[in-house]
Amino acid sequence: DQQVKQNSPSLSVQEGRISILNCDYTNSMFDYFLWYKKYPAEGPTFLISISSIKDKNEDGRFTVFLNKSAKHLSLHIVPSQPGDSAVYFCAASSSVTGNQFYFGTGTSLTVIP
Amino acid sequence: KAGVTQTPRYLIKTRGQQVTLSCSPISGHRSVSWYQQTPGQGLQFLFEYFSETQRNKGNFPGRFSGRQFSNSRSEMNVSTLELGDSALYLCASSPDNNYGYTFGSGTRLTVV
Repeated sequence: DQQVKQNSPSLSVQEGRISILNCDYTNSMFDYFLWYKKYPAEGPTFLISISSIKDKNEDGRFTVFLNKSAKHLSLHIVPSQPGDSAVYFCAASSSVTGNQFYFGTGTSLTVIP
Repeated sequence: KAGVTQTPRYLIKTRGQQVTLSCSPISGHRSVSWYQQTPGQGLQFLFEYFSETQRNKGNFPGRFSGRQFSNSRSEMNVSTLELGDSALYLCASSPDNNYGYTFGSGTRLTVV
């Protein structure tokens, strides 16, 4: 049972435009969410996080939005750069279960120069 | 500060064999978690160790086991390997009970 879903396996965006990656979850106990970026042959790298007490968190070109009622979060990258091309995973956890994260299946982003 | 180190990077084993993977966490990190990544499945949680004790466990068969040593280094063992165990195995460490991990580069296991 996939509790975190990324329904778009891939996304292509022109350089300079906005990339929007989406993630849905089913468990209402999730209260902490993260986005990871992964290049081939490397482990995932932490990108940005958000806790359920917020609905937005911004870090440079990266902004994560959380809609708790819809159980949906999104990652916005503005402006997109070719170096952003990677697989992006969203992950969720519950303070009840602590350090056990549920990951989506990933979205492969390609930024076209 | 050294990152999370996983060894070996690549491994080829035969069905029925067993394998041990190693993970050295970031210095000072006491929590070590293991994940299996397969195409189309994302990262699936295997287990988490903290202070040499298994604290959380995912839905994997008993063939998958792990342990953590007093220096926080962790090993993962898979016995009676099956073809479906072919995957990238990722280890992540974090300090105490803080959220968020730092991942290693993984061990690519191929079972033939």
